[in-house]
Amino acid sequence: GENVEQHPSTLSVQEGDSAVIKCTYSDSASNYFPWYKQELGKGPQLIIDIRSNVGEKKDQRIAVTLNKTAKHFSLHITETQPEDSAVYFCAASIGGSYIPTFGRGTSLIVHP
Amino acid sequence: EPEVTQTPSHQVTQMGQEVILRCVPISNHLYFYWYRQILGQKVEFLVSFYNNEISEKSEIFDDQFSVERPDGSNFTLKIRSTKLEDSAMYFCASKLLAVYEQYFGPGTRLTVT
Repeated sequence: GENVEQHPSTLSVQEGDSAVIKCTYSDSASNYFPWYKQELGKGPQLIIDIRSNVGEKKDQRIAVTLNKTAKHFSLHITETQPEDSAVYFCAASIGGSYIPTFGRGTSLIVHP
Repeated sequence: EPEVTQTPSHQVTQMGQEVILRCVPISNHLYFYWYRQILGQKVEFLVSFYNNEISEKSEIFDDQFSVERPDGSNFTLKIRSTKLEDSAMYFCASKLLAVYEQYFGPGTRLTVT
């Protein structure tokens, strides 16, 4: 089955800095890569996703890149704010399955 | 904005007892899911449900687990005889047909003592 690795497990940045979280996946049949933000006491919330026919996608301060050859994808957050502090999960879904396999999560701490 | 809701937010039960976790998916969604997250670990898929039957399930979803959509709005996960290792956060999710995007509820924290 699919295996998703995520790094780093913890990321501490100063407000205004950029943050990058990286994930790798094992199954080349995966074609959908969502990113979720989980705040304390809440469920994972979809913040951005990318499909395998696209190399990059941006939504305001967040962007995701995908390298299908290397089987890795990354989340980039620019101009970080304290409210960006949360646990971020990457995930990968194999085509037709719709079931995401999650990474272990990255705890992002943005210091004011 | 419509959202998935779950009750209770926290459930404490004794080992061997039955528990039912409840979810109300987004009203026009057709696929429903249960996931669990043991403290500090990955979110893990348990089961998906479509058209009043299980469409996929993981190895975790053994005979101790069952799901049901008893009416037009609720989606439940039953654990027949809880074990200590069932202690986890359980998330319900739902989605529309033929799209990838799933929407998660806030979760139920199950503590088995």
